[in-house]
Amino acid sequence: EIVLTQSPGTLSLSPGERATLSCRASQSVSSSYLAWYQQKPGQAPRLLIYGASSRATGIPDRFSGSGSGTDFTLTISRLEPEDFAVYYCQQYGSSPRITFGPGTKVDIK
Amino acid sequence: QLQLQESGPGLVKPSETLSLTCTVSGGSISSSSYYWGWIRQPPGKGLEWIGSIYYSGSTYYNPSLKSRVTISVDTSKNQFSLKLSSVTAADTAVYYCARLSGIAVAGTTGDYWGQGTLVTVSS
Repeated sequence: EIVLTQSPGTLSLSPGERATLSCRASQSVSSSYLAWYQQKPGQAPRLLIYGASSRATGIPDRFSGSGSGTDFTLTISRLEPEDFAVYYCQQYGSSPRITFGPGTKVDIK
Repeated sequence: QLQLQESGPGLVKPSETLSLTCTVSGGSISSSSYYWGWIRQPPGKGLEWIGSIYYSGSTYYNPSLKSRVTISVDTSKNQFSLKLSSVTAADTAVYYCARLSGIAVAGTTGDYWGQGTLVTVSS
């Protein structure tokens, strides 16, 4: 089973600042199969990035994804008030087919 | 615009079977391009993939739940369903249905999600 670890657990930043979120896998993950989601309280997760670096439909270009192998990064170039949320990375692989990281909470400093 | 909506009891007794249905609107569940899945989230915790189904009925389950899970599809109603047997308090969670895109079996990425439904296991 591929285990995803996200760091930091909580990131305290101010609007306008840059956010860098890390997702590390216990084994190599195909870049085609790494995604990032945003979740706000009381809402379903929302797909931000798929294939490690492709933005989903309607996602602003301040969100970008990068990485390969076991290390992946989600970057929010300038935080908007609506970006304060929990972010999850997710991989597809062998059994279990889909696993999620524990999440990084981005909160207002 | 594709929409998914979960429905089912919000309270289930321990040892009983949890049953949920996801109704898909704005698109066909019989599309060859997608899988359909269930994901759950215990209160205050992270996300766990339960399983996926293709419109043909092929299923893929999380091994940790496989012995208790059944996912089925009804293409005539544009719905798919989840049954989780022998539930305990540990199964209390928000249950989401989702469309899973991607070319690999079971689907790789959840691009559309239902709003989620809280199921509490309690006597």
